[in-house]
Amino acid sequence: KAGVTQTPRYLIKTRGQQVTLSCSPISGHRSVSWYQQTPGQGLQFLFEYFSETQRNKGNFPGRFSGRQFSNSRSEMNVSTLELGDSALYLCASSPTGSHNYEQYFGPGTRLTVT
Amino acid sequence: GQQLNQSPQSMFIQEGEDVSMNCTSSSIFNTWLWYKQDPGEGPVLLIALYKAGELTSNGRLTAQFGITRKDSFLNISASIPSDVGIYFCAGQSGATNKLIFGTGTLLAVQP
Repeated sequence: KAGVTQTPRYLIKTRGQQVTLSCSPISGHRSVSWYQQTPGQGLQFLFEYFSETQRNKGNFPGRFSGRQFSNSRSEMNVSTLELGDSALYLCASSPTGSHNYEQYFGPGTRLTVT
Repeated sequence: GQQLNQSPQSMFIQEGEDVSMNCTSSSIFNTWLWYKQDPGEGPVLLIALYKAGELTSNGRLTAQFGITRKDSFLNISASIPSDVGIYFCAGQSGATNKLIFGTGTLLAVQP
């Protein structure tokens, strides 16, 4: 099976702009979660989507949003970018069933805000 | 944001040595996961633990789910250069896929 894919891998944006990141989960996985990784805060949970519905949300401002499509692909959007949004954004997918808490990560999108 | 206490923060060892690292939490978890991350890549799942006291192996890696459900341990035996990377623990609780990650352990292996 192909792994989790994320596009783009690298992105440079200017303060005030908005950005959309894309994630394609492992085939058959219906849950997609997003995480932000920074040197200072480590890996922090952003939100989780399951069957096109947001199931859980972390402690991030409303500028961070996401959505999931019927084919389980997911996008996350960050509006009005700030310098502190520079980070590695990771997407993870989970299988359904008894091991549905295992999460498999994509390579991430490295966002740099200047 | 919330992070689990992971120790040691870094380890510099010789090839062939065994490695131990642990993760502690003030909260109880239902699932413990261990990941390895290489530079510029996403974390790769190494071992998943589902039951208090459970001991699970994956090749040279062995992990344990602490009895109190507030801690977990990872051991790597006979380390090799490709073991280099950052190791993260992660805990999960409730009916959610939200993972709380540890602060990470940087492992360097001298050939």
